[in-house]
Amino acid sequence: GQQLNQSPQSMFIQEGEDVSMNCTSSSIFNTWLWYKQDPGEGPVLLIALYKAGELTSNGRLTAQFGITRKDSFLNISASIPSDVGIYFCAGQLGGAQKLVFGQGTRLTINP
Amino acid sequence: DAGVTQSPTHLIKTRGQQVTLRCSPKSGHDTVSWYQQALGQGPQFIFQYYEEEERQRGNFPDRFSGHQFPNYSSELNVNALLLGDSALYLCASSRNRISGANVLTFGAGSRLTVL
Repeated sequence: GQQLNQSPQSMFIQEGEDVSMNCTSSSIFNTWLWYKQDPGEGPVLLIALYKAGELTSNGRLTAQFGITRKDSFLNISASIPSDVGIYFCAGQLGGAQKLVFGQGTRLTINP
Repeated sequence: DAGVTQSPTHLIKTRGQQVTLRCSPKSGHDTVSWYQQALGQGPQFIFQYYEEEERQRGNFPDRFSGHQFPNYSSELNVNALLLGDSALYLCASSRNRISGANVLTFGAGSRLTVL
């Protein structure tokens, strides 16, 4: 079945550093999404990507939709303590279709 | 504007029991999806409800069933609970669109522990 592979599985960085994580798939998706999940909460949408090759920013976050529609990356610049959490990529085939999630990247920041 | 609300937040059941989880979608949303998130994993799609009918279903057994009410709220029922059903159950709502992406808003989840 469809599966998304995220890397790295975990990251330990210093406050102020830049972060990069990516997601690959064996299947093509028409929409890629990046979510963040804090402990005890549901995932919160960070960035949505709708077109192959699209580069989108949301504050300190930047994400790109791969040209092949099989991969995406998320960058966080100048990390701050509130960036701690688990980041999930998710692919979606169509507007009403289910989301297929990766296994997550856990980000830990040392002050 | 209230987002997606789920109840209960935590519950403990024993093997073989049945459980019902509830979800109220975000105002203006008419589609409800349920996801199961095991510890340390990403959410897995269970099913989606629209216009009170199951529109899509993931790879889950028939022990998992659901319902959507006329006010768009939804229930997830799990029968004959197994230890492996222990997980965070997430409800997500969205506005049905003919074209374009269907952005989901997630609730905080119901954490089910099966002993």
